[in-house]
Amino acid sequence: NAGVTQTPKFQVLKTGQSMTLQCAQDMNHEYMSWYRQDPGMGLRLIHYSVGAGITDQGEVPNGYNVSRSTTEDFPLRLLSAAPSQTSVYFCASSYREPARSPYEQYFGPGTRLTVT
Amino acid sequence: TQLLEQSPQFLSIQEGENLTVYCNSSSVFSSLQWYRQEPGEGPVLLVTVVTGGEVKKLKRLTFQFGDARKDSSLHITAAQPGDTGLYLCAGVRTGNQFYFGTGTSLTVIP
Repeated sequence: NAGVTQTPKFQVLKTGQSMTLQCAQDMNHEYMSWYRQDPGMGLRLIHYSVGAGITDQGEVPNGYNVSRSTTEDFPLRLLSAAPSQTSVYFCASSYREPARSPYEQYFGPGTRLTVT
Repeated sequence: TQLLEQSPQFLSIQEGENLTVYCNSSSVFSSLQWYRQEPGEGPVLLVTVVTGGEVKKLKRLTFQFGDARKDSSLHITAAQPGDTGLYLCAGVRTGNQFYFGTGTSLTVIP
């Protein structure tokens, strides 16, 4: 199993550009999420999904869109990049069945994004 | 404002020393997790504590969940260079909502 994969690993954008960060998992996990990591702030939840067709906002959703058309994929879209979105982005997945609680999140290797 | 505050933010110690990292909140969590993150990689789960007052040991690492389930601590005995990394606590609420702490960057000097 590949686990959680993210592409690209690095990206530089100009202010106002849009792009999609890709995330895929092959563990048949129901729950997937996107975090951003900034120095001194740990990880902050952007959006999450509890299953295909269902998404919800986390702590810092502004400027980001997500969709979940399949169990495996959970792309994150930056609509109009801003320098404040310079960060490292992590995708994670976990089971959601109560029998597997408490849930362990499996993280991808991250995407380092710079917006100039 | 972060829901979970960790202290200290940075810690640099000599090999063989003991240390404690704290994770505090004013909110109650159903469980609390500790992750370790190496540079350039995603966090990896170390442990989950579920019951208030619970203590779990993982070799030289001891994790404790506060009685009121609002705080936790991680104690490392006889730190080794391999313990170097970023330690993150994460509080879990119902519905799979994870709230991560601010992180503690640990450097163990040989």
